[in-house]
Amino acid sequence: GAGVSQSPSNKVTEKGKDVELRCDPISGHTALYWYRQSLGQGLEFLIYFQGNSAPDKSGLPSDRFSAERTGGSVSTLTIQRTQQEDSAVYLCASSPGHSNEQFFGPGTRLTVL
Amino acid sequence: GENVEQHPSTLSVQEGDSAVIKCTYSDSASNYFPWYKQELGKGPQLIIDIRSNVGEKKDQRIAVTLNKTAKHFSLHITETQPEDSAVYFCAAGSGSYGNNRLAFGKGNQVVVIP
Repeated sequence: GAGVSQSPSNKVTEKGKDVELRCDPISGHTALYWYRQSLGQGLEFLIYFQGNSAPDKSGLPSDRFSAERTGGSVSTLTIQRTQQEDSAVYLCASSPGHSNEQFFGPGTRLTVL
Repeated sequence: GENVEQHPSTLSVQEGDSAVIKCTYSDSASNYFPWYKQELGKGPQLIIDIRSNVGEKKDQRIAVTLNKTAKHFSLHITETQPEDSAVYFCAAGSGSYGNNRLAFGKGNQVVVIP
């Protein structure tokens, strides 16, 4: 079946602009996670959704970052007033509610000039 | 929070030899330990995982071992092939935050030399 998809695959933006990153999880997966991967680094947790609720937002680095999920499916990560340090690959993963296993999308590479 | 460290950062092996990557973790509450393989330009792919009630798990040429007392776990790849060349990440999860968020190591670049 279809895996996790993310769009766009690449995004180049100017400092100060807002960006929206989209994640389509595997159908039926109730849990959704966003992570950030900076160059040469491991993945850093950002936010967790169960259904449409986000009970764990503790990884969001600042109030410029927000995310939502609608219909228990698609999620959007929004970064306002982007800064150069926001440049990274943003990865989304989904998981069945009963399982630890997380399945990742291909990521969105964000470059802030 | 959980801190996962991964060694070595880069590993080169001859095709057919074995590769071993080691990770340590800090939180004794961690009970789930997945390994991911990431190829250039792609997202991480889950290749094997182990839970804390098991000491070893094998899947064809891949195996993972866990030592809860020492808080370390290792990935073993036998009979390496060129397509095994990738970055490998270890991770740990505990469910302590009310979800299964993972803490990742910084990754290990494995290069299999034909």
